[in-house]
Amino acid sequence: GQQLNQSPQSMFIQEGEDVSMNCTSSSIFNTWLWYKQDPGEGPVLLIALYKAGELTSNGRLTAQFGITRKDSFLNISASIPSDVGIYFCAGEPNTGNQFYFGTGTSLTVIP
Amino acid sequence: EAQVTQNPRYLITVTGKKLTVTCSQNMNHEYMSWYRQDPGLGLRQIYYSMNVEVTDKGDVPEGYKVSRKEKRNFPLILESPSPNQTSLYFCASRRNGVDRGSYEQYFGPGTRLTVT
Repeated sequence: GQQLNQSPQSMFIQEGEDVSMNCTSSSIFNTWLWYKQDPGEGPVLLIALYKAGELTSNGRLTAQFGITRKDSFLNISASIPSDVGIYFCAGEPNTGNQFYFGTGTSLTVIP
Repeated sequence: EAQVTQNPRYLITVTGKKLTVTCSQNMNHEYMSWYRQDPGLGLRQIYYSMNVEVTDKGDVPEGYKVSRKEKRNFPLILESPSPNQTSLYFCASRRNGVDRGSYEQYFGPGTRLTVT
């Protein structure tokens, strides 16, 4: 199946710092989605991207759909303790209706 | 409230004992899907369904069955569970289409399955 490489695997940051994570795929994707998962919960959608080059914000979160359609990144500005969780990229390739997820970035915010 | 529900939330069973995990959504979504989540591997798609009576294999379908007799329900069946199916399972749904918003999947709360 598709490989989505997400990095970094984990981050430990001070409250107030900005965060950046990215995701790359081995093939072209039609959509890129970013999810956050809290412990014991299902993933919750943060941002959805639908075309190459698109830059979309949701509060302190900003995500971009790479020009090559093989990558995406997520930025979180001025992190706060409730940003703690696991962030996943996901996407649908150009080949059908299957979704693929990255392996996740675990974020810890130190107050 | 729009939601995806799964039952049970936790299940411990023994090898070979058939089980079913139910999934139901109240958003009238056409597309439903099952994922398993394992440490270090993220979420991997098991099966998905584009609509009633239409199901397709995802990335890791071996050892699982699904059915889609009604739009709102998409049960996951393990005919003969094995220890390597110990995992956290998520059901998700979204509406079909190619417009903005149609790719946004909504996830259930998860079912933690342990097979001994």
